[in-house]
Amino acid sequence: KNEVEQSPQNLTAQEGEFITINCSYSVGISALHWLQQHPGGGIVSLFMLSSGKKKHGRLIATINIQEKHSSLHITASHPRDSAVYICAVSKGATGNQFYFGTGTSLTVIP
Amino acid sequence: GAGVSQSPSNKVTEKGKDVELRCDPISGHTALYWYRQSLGQGLEFLIYFQGNSAPDKSGLPSDRFSAERTGGSVSTLTIQRTQQEDSAVYLCASSLESAYSPLHFGNGTRLTVT
Repeated sequence: KNEVEQSPQNLTAQEGEFITINCSYSVGISALHWLQQHPGGGIVSLFMLSSGKKKHGRLIATINIQEKHSSLHITASHPRDSAVYICAVSKGATGNQFYFGTGTSLTVIP
Repeated sequence: GAGVSQSPSNKVTEKGKDVELRCDPISGHTALYWYRQSLGQGLEFLIYFQGNSAPDKSGLPSDRFSAERTGGSVSTLTIQRTQQEDSAVYLCASSLESAYSPLHFGNGTRLTVT
């Protein structure tokens, strides 16, 4: 069993739809990260959070420490949001141990 | 540029040859990570450097893999006697301190072993 589970694995949405990607983890963590990887492209850090909620533009990330669950929301989705979204958690005394989900592949259709 | 720089971006090598992959982290970032991403797979941790501390090598898949970080900045990942299963994208990431700071990834080196 992976320490980090994401759902869904694949997601297709119409432009403008509200999108939610879920992440559950089984280890105690220092922080949770949401990453974005475009096809053939590099990985970009979207959020790092250890509690509550963060918002950046149309992206919102929430975390519930007690339930060991995080969600990434995309409002008013756009085709350029099409990418793989990866949830990662860090733990350890210095927070250097990372565990990655296998990613959610999002396709937004015009 | 101000981002994490990796070179080469692509490398094709013959089975059995040695390869060196380079990572130039963001200036001032003390934490540096190497990951591997095989086709359709998630990120696999290889090695972690933090300042002058001994590196965490627990993710290196075999003794053919080694890495060093000179002067706390540039890092080189070396794969000796490459095998076809080593084919993957090798990603480097750096952060300001450790995992309490956001990760900044390079664009990776795509290694193909023929």
